[in-house]
Amino acid sequence: DTAVSQTPKYLVTQMGNDKSIKCEQNLGHDTMYWYKQDSKKFLKIMFSYNNKELIINETVPNRFSPKSPDKAHLNLHINSLELGDSAVYFCASSHRVEIGELFFGEGSRLTVL
Amino acid sequence: QQQVKQSPQSLIVQKGGISIINCAYENTAFDYFPWYQQFPGKGPALLIAIRPDVSEKKEGRFTISFNKSAKQFSLHIMDSQPGDSATYFCAASRGYGNKLVFGAGTILRVKS
Repeated sequence: DTAVSQTPKYLVTQMGNDKSIKCEQNLGHDTMYWYKQDSKKFLKIMFSYNNKELIINETVPNRFSPKSPDKAHLNLHINSLELGDSAVYFCASSHRVEIGELFFGEGSRLTVL
Repeated sequence: QQQVKQSPQSLIVQKGGISIINCAYENTAFDYFPWYQQFPGKGPALLIAIRPDVSEKKEGRFTISFNKSAKQFSLHIMDSQPGDSATYFCAASRGYGNKLVFGAGTILRVKS
């Protein structure tokens, strides 16, 4: 029973297209995150939601828009995809918003051609 | 500006040896220091974590050593095994928002 699940696992698309990645967690956590891992494996936070409220919004282009329909779901929509958006996007969740263990999904590898 | 600096970038250790990965941080407000382990094709998974009020924490073969005055912490893997081969990330965070700042990662290979 997967704790944090992301779909799709792989995305290959052309520049200029719009794509979405979906994330669901069944851990009962209140806080969810999107992290980006680049080709050098560097992990950087993009967004964080607590009880459907956006609490962290790092310096991310406006083309990226997260949406949290409920506490268990956090989706990421990307408009007008660029070559530099190619990366692995990880969804994560944690029980507490203050501190604690992050549970990561298996990642969604986005390739922009 | 990298808030958490990790070294080495890669490490090769013989089976049974000790793997040591080091991290240094700048922000003295950080109050939570976890280590994550990532296997190829998988997401990072928490390995062990420490708060700055203790200098060492051990869980099985994994130990974190923490030096608050030097703003450094390290991961020691005793009796390293081929199954430990993975990328290891140190991280730090502070307070509300749980915004983890990750180090650049260390690729560990344990030779059998």
